[in-house]
Amino acid sequence: QKEVEQDPGPLSVPEGAIVSLNCTYSNSAFQYFMWYRQYSRKGPELLMYTYSSGNKEDGRFTAQVDKSSKYISLFIRDSQPSDSATYLCAMSARTGANNLFFGTGTRLTVIP
Amino acid sequence: EAGVVQSPRYKIIEKKQPVAFWCNPISGHNTLYWYLQNLGQGPELLIRYENEEAVDDSQLPKDRFSAERLKGVDSTLKIQPAELGDSAVYLCASSLDPGSGQYFGPGTRLLVL
Repeated sequence: QKEVEQDPGPLSVPEGAIVSLNCTYSNSAFQYFMWYRQYSRKGPELLMYTYSSGNKEDGRFTAQVDKSSKYISLFIRDSQPSDSATYLCAMSARTGANNLFFGTGTRLTVIP
Repeated sequence: EAGVVQSPRYKIIEKKQPVAFWCNPISGHNTLYWYLQNLGQGPELLIRYENEEAVDDSQLPKDRFSAERLKGVDSTLKIQPAELGDSAVYLCASSLDPGSGQYFGPGTRLLVL
């Protein structure tokens, strides 16, 4: 079993829809949670960085962490065609050894 | 602010040939990472540097892979000899310190024939 599980999709939604992306994990030591966006043939781009449980909002993006369920989510409101990309969740156990464990990524297409 | 720079962007070589990738991190970022990303997968860490010291190279296949970060700034990752299974994207990332978010370069796409 992988430490981080993520549905690879693909996921297609119409423009303006609310998108929900999710990851589950098995290592209860994970405390730092990130979401990256990766366009085709580009490197991952850091979108959200959260610590422990709770919500964090940044514009149209909201990250949620539920440590009790070992489940994290990224919500995208009013999705745009420019949001079409692969979204990777990533997490690490502690700041002193910030080795990230990534999910496989979910490929999202927003249809105009 | 300039991002993480990597070169070359693409490389095609025959198996058993050597290859090298170069990375220049964001200015002031002391921590540098090399990742391997296979198609349809998330990045996997190969090696992490704190300044010029390799503090985690447990996932680096040391029989054929080597890396260096002289003067604690830019870094080079080398494969010698390359094998067919090394075809992948090699990503470099940097962060201000081990606890900060990591910022990735565009990657080097390697194809071994």
